[in-house]
Amino acid sequence: QVQLLQSGPGLVKPSQTLSLSCAIFGDSLSTRHIGWHWIRQSPSRGLEWLGRTHYKSRWDVSCATSVKSRMTINADTSKDQFSLQLDSVTPEDTAVYYCARGSAYSFGFWGQGILVTVSS
Amino acid sequence: QSALTQPPSASGSPGQSVTISCTGTSSDVGAYNYVSWYQQYPGKVPKLMISEVTERPSGVPDRFSGSKSGNTASLTVSGLQAEDEADYYCSSYAGSDIWVFGGGTKLTVL
Repeated sequence: QVQLLQSGPGLVKPSQTLSLSCAIFGDSLSTRHIGWHWIRQSPSRGLEWLGRTHYKSRWDVSCATSVKSRMTINADTSKDQFSLQLDSVTPEDTAVYYCARGSAYSFGFWGQGILVTVSS
Repeated sequence: QSALTQPPSASGSPGQSVTISCTGTSSDVGAYNYVSWYQQYPGKVPKLMISEVTERPSGVPDRFSGSKSGNTASLTVSGLQAEDEADYYCSSYAGSDIWVFGGGTKLTVL
């Protein structure tokens, strides 16, 4: 059974960088045809897909237009974990952040979610 | 990348059927058979209920079914039970390695 375990701070100051990690158990980051996604949820924006990384002869990353200029997704195959960095955060970035495993163009396994509050 | 459109609420009595719609465009829902549906209880993690428009993952009751016509996908819950009361979200692949979600529908079992 695949499990995703998220870690990271729950409070980030405005203009700083939000950093979260997602550790994978029961699968491998390099598994073919599997994508590793970041999704967030807030009362005002609902569920919002942020981005994905997957291995297809090389590591490929895609991001939502709304965050593309300030988001980075990294993959660490030695630890079977991937991470999210979101720069220059504002209170609008306050949300529950999820990592998720994607296959068949859907999200079958989710991390436990971390509430990240952007506040001084 | 606009969000997919879902009705904010839906309701039905126990035993009845209810259908939730998810309207996109010819660039997402209409272009690909990659619509999925998620059930979420308050404070809990979303759970995959339907993938690729009609496919039910193992363990999902067959009371849940999905369909698509043009730019609109639908989730039907037959034989409503009290435990089906939850929020439901649709998602669609939108091409170019991009995904989009709907705004969510709160299903109430009367």
